[in-house]
Amino acid sequence: DAGVTQSPTHLIKTRGQQVTLRCSPISGHKSVSWYQQVLGQGPQFIFQYYEKEERGRGNFPDRFSARQFPNYSSELNVNALLLGDSALYLCASSLAEGPYGYTFGSGTRLTVV
Amino acid sequence: TQLLEQSPQFLSIQEGENLTVYCNSSSVFSSLQWYRQEPGEGPVLLVTVVTGGEVKKLKRLTFQFGDARKDSSLHITAAQPGDTGLYLCAGVPNAGGTSYGKLTFGQGTILTVHP
Repeated sequence: DAGVTQSPTHLIKTRGQQVTLRCSPISGHKSVSWYQQVLGQGPQFIFQYYEKEERGRGNFPDRFSARQFPNYSSELNVNALLLGDSALYLCASSLAEGPYGYTFGSGTRLTVV
Repeated sequence: TQLLEQSPQFLSIQEGENLTVYCNSSSVFSSLQWYRQEPGEGPVLLVTVVTGGEVKKLKRLTFQFGDARKDSSLHITAAQPGDTGLYLCAGVPNAGGTSYGKLTFGQGTILTVHP
């Protein structure tokens, strides 16, 4: 069984650039959530999508946006990158809207230089 | 804003020792999850505790949810080098809110078990 797949695994971008991160949930999972994990910290909630609708947004600036597609895959976009955006970006999927049965992907390591 | 404080942040012990990690909050959570994360990987769910006062055991790991559902602990008996990793607690908000899918994570405890 394929788990949660995230791409790319690693990415280096320059300040001011834009980046798109991708997530494919486990087959049948309709909920996708995005988290940012800065080195040495626990993950911080960014967005949750369920059935293609945004169901939750964390305390992140408008430079962060996301969407979920009809096949339940998701993209996270970050515009005007700052050095502080350097982090591991994690995607988690689950069957239902609630955070039970979460399965996390291995993440995308974003480095902004 | 719901916050979870984990302690200690770092724990370095010898194989065979026991240890406890604490997770505390001033807020009530509907349930609490514990994850383990290895370098370069995403967190892996270990357990979910739902009822106040609940105790769950997973081999040498014992998880407890406080009676008031504001705190939790993870106890490892006879730690082994394979237990090394980042341990995270995560609070689950009450259902029906606008952020039902949102987990609030503690900052994590980095455990190193030396052979």
